[in-house]
Amino acid sequence: AQSVTQLDSQVPVFEEAPVELRCNYSSSVSVYLFWYVQYPNQGLQLLLKYLSGSTLVKGINGFEAEFNKSQTSFHLRKPSVHISDTAEYFCAVSEQGGSEKLVFGKGTKLTVNP
Amino acid sequence: GAVVSQHPSWVICKSGTSVKIECRSLDFQATTMFWYRQFPKQSLMLMATSNEGSKATYEQGVEKDKFLINHASLTLSTLTVTSAHPEDSSFYICSATDPGQGRQTEAFFGQGTRLTVV
Repeated sequence: AQSVTQLDSQVPVFEEAPVELRCNYSSSVSVYLFWYVQYPNQGLQLLLKYLSGSTLVKGINGFEAEFNKSQTSFHLRKPSVHISDTAEYFCAVSEQGGSEKLVFGKGTKLTVNP
Repeated sequence: GAVVSQHPSWVICKSGTSVKIECRSLDFQATTMFWYRQFPKQSLMLMATSNEGSKATYEQGVEKDKFLINHASLTLSTLTVTSAHPEDSSFYICSATDPGQGRQTEAFFGQGTRLTVV
């Protein structure tokens, strides 16, 4: 079984500041890693994913994340945030070669203030 | 990317009635769809895996007789909340993967359905 821990439930930042949203996972098997964004009363949109290869992955809207196997982490970063980045962010994992069902962290609410 | 459409986006129903939520893959065939439930300010919890042409696989603790799932075609899965009660009020979201495009590892989500039982 897998589990995902998002260490920060809320992250407030000012516009144009850098941000890092932390994610750690636990699994006895190899996993794929994902970051999703959710705007109020909407579904989830994929920001980026790590399947294999380069540990630094770039996604949409200027976000990137780095997979660190030794630390079992997959932190999300953006060098300069905008007001429009205010949303809920979810880290998720799925088992490689498994059923593709996702296990989600509890989410991090990113609030970008002017 | 692939599109998953969920309907309705919100519904209010009386306690004791049943509500059906539809999840459609618009531009691909999905042999497997997933149903999640999200309580306010909480994460998504997988309720069940919907398999086309066979019975759904429910997660532990989810009442299969209360949350009926039907996956009758490769583009449609439905979730019916039977005899709904106020505690069933939640945000329900479906997802599907698109194996036909080599994107089997990426899930596409519907817009979600806000169910309020009064």
